[in-house]
Amino acid sequence: DIQMTQSPSSLSASVGDRVTITCRASQGISNYLAWYQQKPGKVPKLLIYAASTLQSGVPSRFSGSGSGTDFTLTISSLQPEDVATYYCQKYNSAPFTFGPGTKVDIK
Amino acid sequence: QVQLVQSGAEVKKPGASVKVSCKASGYTFTSYGISWVRQAPGQGLEWMGWISAYNGNTNYAQKLQGRVTMTTDTSTSTAYMELRSLRSDDTAVYYCAKPARARGHYFDYWGQGTLVTVSS
Repeated sequence: DIQMTQSPSSLSASVGDRVTITCRASQGISNYLAWYQQKPGKVPKLLIYAASTLQSGVPSRFSGSGSGTDFTLTISSLQPEDVATYYCQKYNSAPFTFGPGTKVDIK
Repeated sequence: QVQLVQSGAEVKKPGASVKVSCKASGYTFTSYGISWVRQAPGQGLEWMGWISAYNGNTNYAQKLQGRVTMTTDTSTSTAYMELRSLRSDDTAVYYCAKPARARGHYFDYWGQGTLVTVSS
């Protein structure tokens, strides 16, 4: 099975900072990658699919890029409401594995 | 509007079974599958498996093969996930999730979650 890794596992940044999270697949998955945001005690929320397509209603400060094995999620200007854990997920074929998550908080 | 409403919290003893339901509304149930995802306390998301609501085909995570069964009842637009031979490390919040596209296994709607606690 393809393994998903994320880095860093956690980060602390100031409001307004640019934040980048990396997701890596152990084998190529083309652009079959999604990103989710999960706030404490809440259900995961789809942010991005097809590696770079923003889900309807998601603020434009979120963006995704990458293809093959290396992907990034960028928050262009971190806001207090962005405090959450972010997960990547591969969906090219089963198992539709999630990455281990990156916890983002405010410095 | 799309809604996935799950059954309530459960407390089970080791070795027992649990069956969680997920009632869908607001879309054509048989046009999509349902995946089940769980999250142990303080841990990440684990994909458990998928069932097609169209024909009942399933695909389970290898680590759960033999212990998990996913079914659907198209007459009530409800999906079910049964997990047997429960262990303490099965303690988790269990979510059902609807794919955003009929042939895309990324998820735009999630149930509210069902906490399953396994404890003697």
